[in-house]
Amino acid sequence: NAGVMQNPRHLVRRRGQEARLRCSPMKGHSHVYWYRQLPEEGLKFMVYLQKENIIDESGMPKERFSAEFPKEGPSILRIQQVVRGDSAAYFCASSPSEGIRYNEQFFGPGTRLTVL
Amino acid sequence: AQSVSQHNHHVILSEAASLELGCNYSYGGTVNLFWYVQYPGQHLQLLLKYFSGDPLVKGIKGFEAEFIKSKFSFNLRKPSVQWSDTAEYFCAVRYGGSQGNLIFGKGTKLSVKP
Repeated sequence: NAGVMQNPRHLVRRRGQEARLRCSPMKGHSHVYWYRQLPEEGLKFMVYLQKENIIDESGMPKERFSAEFPKEGPSILRIQQVVRGDSAAYFCASSPSEGIRYNEQFFGPGTRLTVL
Repeated sequence: AQSVSQHNHHVILSEAASLELGCNYSYGGTVNLFWYVQYPGQHLQLLLKYFSGDPLVKGIKGFEAEFIKSKFSFNLRKPSVQWSDTAEYFCAVRYGGSQGNLIFGKGTKLSVKP
């Protein structure tokens, strides 16, 4: 069973461009979480989604950031008009709805976004 | 506000030394507690977790942690570290139910000298 997949692993954007980060959860997982890690900081929660629904977006900046988890396909974290302060590692995690490990989050390898 | 504190930013030990990494969280009712490890170049992996029951939790690779409710602490321990334990360790807390976001500490870098 493949783990959580994220792509790209590294993404370079110039200020003002758009960044799209993708996350494919583990097979059978219907909960997806996005976290951001700034240098020398722990992971900060951004958004929690289930298929076609945003459950909690309390950690998302109000502007320029959006996330979706469509019925088919990966979850997408979209950052419009990127600024240098968006440079960070973005991690996705997924968890199942049931089963012995339903309350654990499994993390992907992260996407390292650099804004020039 | 809900928060998690890890006391040490960087710990340096020699092989075979004992390890204890501190983690404290702010009060917030029912909590689920986790320790994750991130080896160089790899993604976060779960070391151990506590939801209820025996407050002494055993995880993978010889790690254990003790939940002390009165101290709001969940310290990670290992009796004898190895060079391969060199990694960054993150304590995380989930307040409330069984799903929902985790609040992470800033992490502790562990360097084990051979």
